[in-house]
Amino acid sequence: TQLLEQSPQFLSIQEGENLTVYCNSSSVFSSLQWYRQEPGEGPVLLVTVVTGGEVKKLKRLTFQFGDARKDSSLHITAAQPGDTGLYLCAGDNGGSQGNLIFGKGTKLSVKP
Amino acid sequence: DTGVSQDPRHKITKRGQNVTFRCDPISEHNRLYWYRQTLGQGPEFLTYFQNEAQLEKSRLLSDRFSAERPKGSFSTLEIQRTEQGDSAMYLCASITTGTGVEQYFGPGTRLTVT
Repeated sequence: TQLLEQSPQFLSIQEGENLTVYCNSSSVFSSLQWYRQEPGEGPVLLVTVVTGGEVKKLKRLTFQFGDARKDSSLHITAAQPGDTGLYLCAGDNGGSQGNLIFGKGTKLSVKP
Repeated sequence: DTGVSQDPRHKITKRGQNVTFRCDPISEHNRLYWYRQTLGQGPEFLTYFQNEAQLEKSRLLSDRFSAERPKGSFSTLEIQRTEQGDSAMYLCASITTGTGVEQYFGPGTRLTVT
């Protein structure tokens, strides 16, 4: 069974701080996606990483896919209250069905 | 708005009642997924459709659950004889195969069984 472990589970920081969220697995994924979810809403796609070692930047967010395509990280620089939410990583194992396997998420709170 | 839509957004029902949810995917997307998300967990796969064909069901989808996608457009998820353990957020996502792996989610239907 493929599993994605996210850490930390909860993170509370002050505005302006930097943070890193991790997503780890013992399995290889053909791609990995990061979503952000607000309470009572569906996940919103932030980025997809496909190539081992790939780094993608989205404004103050930097996403990295591990060389072996088993892990990923999300780094936020100078966090703002608007970054508050649940950050989910999801892996695609490349099978024909294409369903995503999600981690439990990291709940981020950025205080002004 | 051409995103994925779901209806209703919230549903409160008594144990033993039947409920039905609807998902309208992005119009050109041929594949549609249903996921369930309970408190403190990430979404878990339930089932998916390629056009109108239901191709896979998770072991989470008990006999009380049924899903359809007539004509390959919108989809419905029905839960019969609801139980308190069915309380969750039910999410729908869609994608066009062959154009990428990104799944686009709807806002979800929050089900509360009392």
